[in-house]
Amino acid sequence: ETGVTQSPTHLIKTRGQQVTLRCSSQSGHNTVSWYQQALGQGPQFIFQYYREEENGRGNFPPRFSGLQFPNYSSELNVNALELDDSALYLCASSFASAQETQYFGPGTRLLVL
Amino acid sequence: AQSVTQLGSHVSVSEGALVLLRCNYSSSVPPYLFWYVQYPNQGLQLLLKYTTGATLVKGINGFEAEFKKSETSFHLTKPSAHMSDAAEYFCAVSDRTNAGKSTFGDGTTLTVKP
Repeated sequence: ETGVTQSPTHLIKTRGQQVTLRCSSQSGHNTVSWYQQALGQGPQFIFQYYREEENGRGNFPPRFSGLQFPNYSSELNVNALELDDSALYLCASSFASAQETQYFGPGTRLLVL
Repeated sequence: AQSVTQLGSHVSVSEGALVLLRCNYSSSVPPYLFWYVQYPNQGLQLLLKYTTGATLVKGINGFEAEFKKSETSFHLTKPSAHMSDAAEYFCAVSDRTNAGKSTFGDGTTLTVKP
């Protein structure tokens, strides 16, 4: 059974650029949630995708957007990067019927200069 | 709205001593409660969760936590610390209809001294 994978592991961008982060869910999981973890803080919920549609969003602006594909892989896109977007981005997958058991990927560490 | 407060950003114990990491939550509806562990440069691993039923929950690696509704607490304990327990620990809460949209505390770094 393959776990949750994320790519890339590290990324450096400059302010104003756009970035795409990718997540491959654990086999069979049809729900994916994305979290932002700033240095020294706990993860903050960005949004969740189910059946290729956004299913709830946290307190993040529209320049944070996502996609979920038929194979349940997912992308997080961030436009107009700001310095404060520097963080570890985590995705977590689960079955829709058992969302209380989320499996987290190792994360993508984004540095915005 | 929900929130989590983890009391003590750093906890240090000696190997073999009791581990106690404190978590208090706020929720207007019956919560789901979680403890996760994060090792350096890794994602989160679920240690244990409370959903319904027995309020004393046992997890992996010898950890357990007790849901106390009257105290709005979900403290994590382990009778005897191992060096391998050194990591960052996060308490999280969600409501039952949005279990995949958790609110996390700021974490507690556990140091284990030999």
